[in-house]
Amino acid sequence: QLQLQESGPGLVKPSETLSLTCTVSGGSISSSNYCGGWVRQPPGKGLEWVGSIFYSGATYYNPSLKSRVTMSVDTSKNQFSLKLSSVTAADTAVYYCARMGTNFRLSDHWGQGALVTVSS
Amino acid sequence: QSALTQPASVSGSPGQSITISCTGTTSDVGGYNFVSWYQQHPGTAPKLMIYDVTNRPSGVSNRFSGSKSGNTASLTISGLQPEDEADYYCSSYTSSTTLVFGGGTKLTVL
Repeated sequence: QLQLQESGPGLVKPSETLSLTCTVSGGSISSSNYCGGWVRQPPGKGLEWVGSIFYSGATYYNPSLKSRVTMSVDTSKNQFSLKLSSVTAADTAVYYCARMGTNFRLSDHWGQGALVTVSS
Repeated sequence: QSALTQPASVSGSPGQSITISCTGTTSDVGGYNFVSWYQQHPGTAPKLMIYDVTNRPSGVSNRFSGSKSGNTASLTISGLQPEDEADYYCSSYTSSTTLVFGGGTKLTVL
């Protein structure tokens, strides 16, 4: 069974860079039918797509975050990663990684989520 | 990009049917059959309930069904059960090669 697990610091200072890694187990991430994605959810609020990365390295980002987001993939470790720079309190959220289909038409496997708090 | 529009809340009694709408534009919901629906219980990750407008993943009850007309997609839950009480989100692929979610709908089973 495919499983995804987020890892990274739970506390980040304002203006610094948030870094998270998603480790995939139970299957290979190297598939042309799927990509890895990040979705975040501020406390008490709705879901927001952050971006997605294909295993070729092609990336697609939310336009509202594009200037601050960088995603990468490491197929040798079955991992993909998220970096969000110049964070503010508004970036405080649970960050989920997910396996997404082409055209982002579905997200059928999700990590449990990682709460990242931006605070000094 | 603007979030898709969903009602903030809906409610129904056990055994009844409810429908949650998800309105977008011709650049997202209306332009592609790549609408998904997710169920989220408090403190847990979202769960895929419907994809490609009408398709149910293996293991999802056939009480859940999806449809689309023009720029509005809909999720219908028939035979409401207490465990259906949750937040529901729609999402759609967009013409900008991005993904947009709806604001979410809180379903209360009375």
